[in-house]
Amino acid sequence: GAVVSQHPSRVICKSGTSVKIECRSLDFQATTMFWYRQFPKQSLMLMATSNEGSKATYEQGVEKDKFLINHASLTLSTLTVTSAHPEDSSFYICSASRREDAYEQYFGPGTRLTVT
Amino acid sequence: GEDVEQSLFLSVREGDSSVINCTYTDSSSTYLYWYKQEPGAGLQLLTYIFSNMDMKQDQRLTVLLNKKDKHLSLRIADTQTGDSAIYFCAERGGRRALTFGSGTRLQVQP
Repeated sequence: GAVVSQHPSRVICKSGTSVKIECRSLDFQATTMFWYRQFPKQSLMLMATSNEGSKATYEQGVEKDKFLINHASLTLSTLTVTSAHPEDSSFYICSASRREDAYEQYFGPGTRLTVT
Repeated sequence: GEDVEQSLFLSVREGDSSVINCTYTDSSSTYLYWYKQEPGAGLQLLTYIFSNMDMKQDQRLTVLLNKKDKHLSLRIADTQTGDSAIYFCAERGGRRALTFGSGTRLQVQP
């Protein structure tokens, strides 16, 4: 099956620092990756859609300068939370599609970010 | 915009059937999904159904889709304590990203 990994699984950082989260498709090429954010006991909210080789498409209300997304290859997308604040603490989950309009998205295990 | 709603909590006894319900608003939904999330973990795809289907069965799981009413349900037969988790309904409409419901916490009592 298709496997998506995320690194790190858990990170604690100080306010004002930046944190990079990696999302990798291990055994398939992902033309599109999605980044979601999940607050405790809440649903997943789409943050942005990341297409290989082009700029990410951000959802309304998501600051593109704060959440930098880079999809440099067909197997790797990164999300960098810049100048992190405690309110950025959350569970960040990525997913990947094998190709455009594929019915299935494969989800990573998530990264828990805590900003102190 | 798209909206997906679920009840927040369901409690059943071990061995009983569980039915988790979901309603959605996007009439252009093409695929509808059920995901399972255990504490602190990512999402596990349980099953999905294409919008032109009424029912899909996969072992203990049965998905029913009423497209007219925009109602989706997941039935888990012979529910086990290991089924305790949060279950998310999600739909995919015109764009490839998924819209998720708020999740239903299933508690299975021994």
